[in-house]
Amino acid sequence: ILNVEQSPQSLHVQEGDSTNFTCSFPSSNFYALHWYRWETAKSPEALFVMTLNGDEKKKGRISATLNTKEGYSYLYIKGSQPEDSATYLCASAGISNSGYALNFGKGTSLLVTP
Amino acid sequence: GAVVSQHPSRVICKSGTSVKIECRSLDFQATTMFWYRQFPKQSLMLMATSNEGSKATYEQGVEKDKFLINHASLTLSTLTVTSAHPEDSSFYICSATPSGGSYNEQFFGPGTRLTVL
Repeated sequence: ILNVEQSPQSLHVQEGDSTNFTCSFPSSNFYALHWYRWETAKSPEALFVMTLNGDEKKKGRISATLNTKEGYSYLYIKGSQPEDSATYLCASAGISNSGYALNFGKGTSLLVTP
Repeated sequence: GAVVSQHPSRVICKSGTSVKIECRSLDFQATTMFWYRQFPKQSLMLMATSNEGSKATYEQGVEKDKFLINHASLTLSTLTVTSAHPEDSSFYICSATPSGGSYNEQFFGPGTRLTVL
């Protein structure tokens, strides 16, 4: 069973601040690293899927990096806005009993206040 | 595009009853769907993988006779919690992979909150 850890558990920033979160995962048997954005009462929304060591991906003000050798990924949000408030989940993909499995961390809950 | 719905969004039932949760891919076909659950303050945990036209495969520790999964069409998978008990109270969420797509593409539903009294 892959153990995915996310930190911090929660974060409260002011509008305009930049912020970042960490996801750590076992580096053995690595397939892919997923980031999702999950707003309350909505479906988790895929942000990034990264597979290669050194990958960097960007979507607007949000970007992510991946280090598969040491088993971590960072998610950055530049100039946070209130609409960025959500829980950010990371998941490491691997093979489990039922086949392909996403193993999720507990998430980082971000609150951005005006 | 790539919208997944779940029904119901919330259900409260008495202990011993069975509850069915539906997961539908609205604008794409999904050969494979995944069922997860999340207990309070815990992470999403994969329960089983559902493949259209075949039996679901379950993760270790998940009772297949208690959590019945049916994936009879390319747009619908159902999870039935049989003889539900309070310890089954949880948040159940599904995801779907477009047919022919990579398992790296998983589109999630909004989830179902089950409370067993």
